[in-house]
Order: sequence, then C-alpha cells, then structure tokens
Amino acid sequence: KNQVEQSPQSLIILEGKNCTLQCNYTVSPFSNLRWYKQDTGRGPVSLTIMTFSENTKSNGRYTATLDADTKQSSLHITASQLSDSASYICVVRAGFQKLVFGTGTRLLVSP
Amino acid sequence: DAGVIQSPRHEVTEMGQEVTLRCKPISGHDYLFWYRQTMMRGLELLIYFNNNVPIDDSGMPEDRFSAKMPNASFSTLKIQPSEPRDSAVYFCASSIAAGGPNNEQFFGPGTRLTVL
Repeated sequence: KNQVEQSPQSLIILEGKNCTLQCNYTVSPFSNLRWYKQDTGRGPVSLTIMTFSENTKSNGRYTATLDADTKQSSLHITASQLSDSASYICVVRAGFQKLVFGTGTRLLVSP
Repeated sequence: DAGVIQSPRHEVTEMGQEVTLRCKPISGHDYLFWYRQTMMRGLELLIYFNNNVPIDDSGMPEDRFSAKMPNASFSTLKIQPSEPRDSAVYFCASSIAAGGPNNEQFFGPGTRLTVL
C-alpha cells in the first residue's frame, strides 16, 4: 500500500532556531517527492521537488534531502522566522499520475 | 495571473441541502484536481480532469458527490444532499502536465465547508 508518513505531527521552536521535518514513504513506483508549505487558511505551495537521482535541493532557508535507498526525506529549515509557521506536507508521486500525501507537520515558530 | 480561483471561500449550510463549490483553473492548465482536507485525513484527491474530461473519480466518497467541468475555465463540485461529515476544506488545483518535472499543482485558496 502506498503510504507517506511524516513526523513529528507538530513542532514548536524559537525564532532563529533550526529544525528538521521527516518524511518516510512506501510508494511504488517512485517518480518524485515534493514538499509543500501550507499557511493557515491558504492552499499548499510547492517548496522543493526531487527526483530519484537528486539527494538535496534548496530553496532559500529550506533544504530538502532525499535518500531513495531508505525511502526517507527531510526538510531542514535554517534560522527560522515567524513566517515559517505553517503546515509542511510531503507528497510523493507514484508513477505517472497518482500523488500520495502525508498528513503534514504543523510548525509553530515562537518569538 | 490571478492563480486558481475558488468560490465561495466559506460555506455554511444545513444537513440535507445542496452545496456547489466552484473553481476557475489557471489559464492554459489542462489538468484540474479537486481535493478535500480534514485534520484527521489530511489532503485527499477526490477527482481530476484532463482537458475537461474526468479521468479518475475513485476518490469521490459516494454518489452524493459529483463534479463537472463544462469548459476549460470552470469546474464545479456538488454535494447533494450534504451531511455534517462532509465538513472540510475543499481545494481545487490545476497543472500543466500530469508527469515529469513540470507537474507542479497550483492550489486555490480553498472553500471551507461547514454542514450543520
């Protein structure tokens, strides 16, 4: 069964600190993995996308890693800001079309 | 570009009433997706269209749900009759291509539906 699991479910960090969000997947055949950021009351917005051959991808203070052997991905946020408070969703594409969504990690950056 | 447009943004209705959610995809996008999001289940794909044709509706929970795309710039998701368990945020998304590196789905702001 195709599944994407994210951890932790929620996280509170102090402004300026770093944090890492985890995504484990069992999806076949693997096509790509994308991290979305979803602000409260808004739709998800893509942060990064990685294919099988990519190990890391950065977007400003966001850095995603992918280990295709262990089927794990992480999203690292550096020097967190209050605006980073959001839900972060890991999405894996299986084959040509089907997307498998994780339930997300809710991050709160506290001043 | 205004992005994906959804209306209404909020809908409160009573059980048994018909609810219609509307979506205007980004111009030039030939894929349109309807999602439902709840705290318990996260994002779930309900149905998607390619060039106005429904391709996969296996995520539609039951016959009370129906979706149409009469043209490239408009789609509706209808719930009739609505039930309290349908309360969720419904997102519409569109994309240029289904697979490959250009397959990013652009999401609308969502419609928050509350069925009393």
